[in-house]
Amino acid sequence: EDQVTQSPEALRLQEGESSSLNCSYTVSGLRGLFWYRQDPGKGPEFLFTLYSAGEEKEKERLKATLTKKESFLHITAPKPEDSATYLCAVLSGGYQKVTFGIGTKLQVIP
Amino acid sequence: DAGVTQSPTHLIKTRGQHVTLRCSPISGHKSVSWYQQVLGQGPQFIFQYYEKEERGRGNFPDRFSARQFPNYSSELNVNALLLGDSALYLCASSRLQGIDGYTFGSGTRLTVV
Repeated sequence: EDQVTQSPEALRLQEGESSSLNCSYTVSGLRGLFWYRQDPGKGPEFLFTLYSAGEEKEKERLKATLTKKESFLHITAPKPEDSATYLCAVLSGGYQKVTFGIGTKLQVIP
Repeated sequence: DAGVTQSPTHLIKTRGQHVTLRCSPISGHKSVSWYQQVLGQGPQFIFQYYEKEERGRGNFPDRFSARQFPNYSSELNVNALLLGDSALYLCASSRLQGIDGYTFGSGTRLTVV
């Protein structure tokens, strides 16, 4: 069974303090790894898709990387508006099932 | 362009009742998936539909069912509601069965009392 583990579960940063979120996965036939941002009471907002080891994607202060066993979401000089829960998910082979991790709740303090 | 729209936004039901949740995908998206998200957890996969056919089903009891209509909108039905069915129900659509990433709606908050 596909498994996605995210760490840490919660992270508190000072504004401008860069850090990384981890997503480790065990899947049979990875077809894609996704990062989403979710604000309280709202649906997840799509950030990135990574398809193969070595791939990197960037968007503003966020950069996602992928290896064969894990993905990192690097946050550079975060701002308070980056506070949210960041979800990692994998799309595996076979039928079209996306498995999510529990998420990392990020709080950026001014 | 309109995003994924879900209705209703909030719903309160009594144990044992039936509920129908509705979803309209982004125009041009033929794949719709349903997820259940309990507070503090990641979304759990319930169903995926593509071109009006069920293409995937998660580990949910038969009380959960869904369908996709010719216009690609979708309904999620839950029978014999239990207190544990209280959750945020999310609908997501994709152009290419998820490989291009899913766009989520804002969800329906279901409370079972």
